[in-house]
Amino acid sequence: KQEVTQIPAALSVPEGENLVLNCSFTDSAIYNLQWFRQDPGKGLTSLLLIQSSQREQTSGRLNASLDKSSGRSTLYIAASQPGDSATYLCAVSNFGNEKLTFGTGTRLTIIP
Amino acid sequence: DAGITQSPRHKVTETGTPVTLRCHQTENHRYMYWYRQDPGHGLRLIHYSYGVKDTDKGEVSDGYSVSRSKTEDFLLTLESATSSQTSVYFCAIGWAALSTDTQYFGPGTRLTVL
Repeated sequence: KQEVTQIPAALSVPEGENLVLNCSFTDSAIYNLQWFRQDPGKGLTSLLLIQSSQREQTSGRLNASLDKSSGRSTLYIAASQPGDSATYLCAVSNFGNEKLTFGTGTRLTIIP
Repeated sequence: DAGITQSPRHKVTETGTPVTLRCHQTENHRYMYWYRQDPGHGLRLIHYSYGVKDTDKGEVSDGYSVSRSKTEDFLLTLESATSSQTSVYFCAIGWAALSTDTQYFGPGTRLTVL
């Protein structure tokens, strides 16, 4: 059974700093890995999707990397802004399984 | 935003009563999903649908049933609500889990069972 872990559960950093969020998974036979953002009281918004054959994806100030062999992914946020404050979740899909397995998320607070 | 709406957005009900949550999409996506989100558990899949009248169970399906009579609507029913079903419920749509496309989430329904 796939398990996805995100540590730390919460993180506070001053505005302008670069930061890294971590995601680990137990079953490396993944099809893809996604990073989502969730604002309080809202649904999830997809940020980046990495196919299993890819090593990284970039969108603006965000860069997600994937290392299947070690069962790890990181989300790098450059030059953080207060608007980046949210909960970030990663999710993986596995071959032969029509569902996403989610981590419990990291709640990020950017301090102005 | 992807065209997904959920109704109601908030509901308080009593133990033992039936509850139906509705998800409506305007995107014509084939797959629709129901998740619940609880502190410490992340999002967990309840049921999903891969077409009209085609549904399957997720990892936490006990106590829930679903129906999809039209492409655009996916209903989640709690036949007899229990306090353990107090949660935030999210609907999502997509082409398939095993695809290059992501899932798009609705705004959620906060359900409280007293």
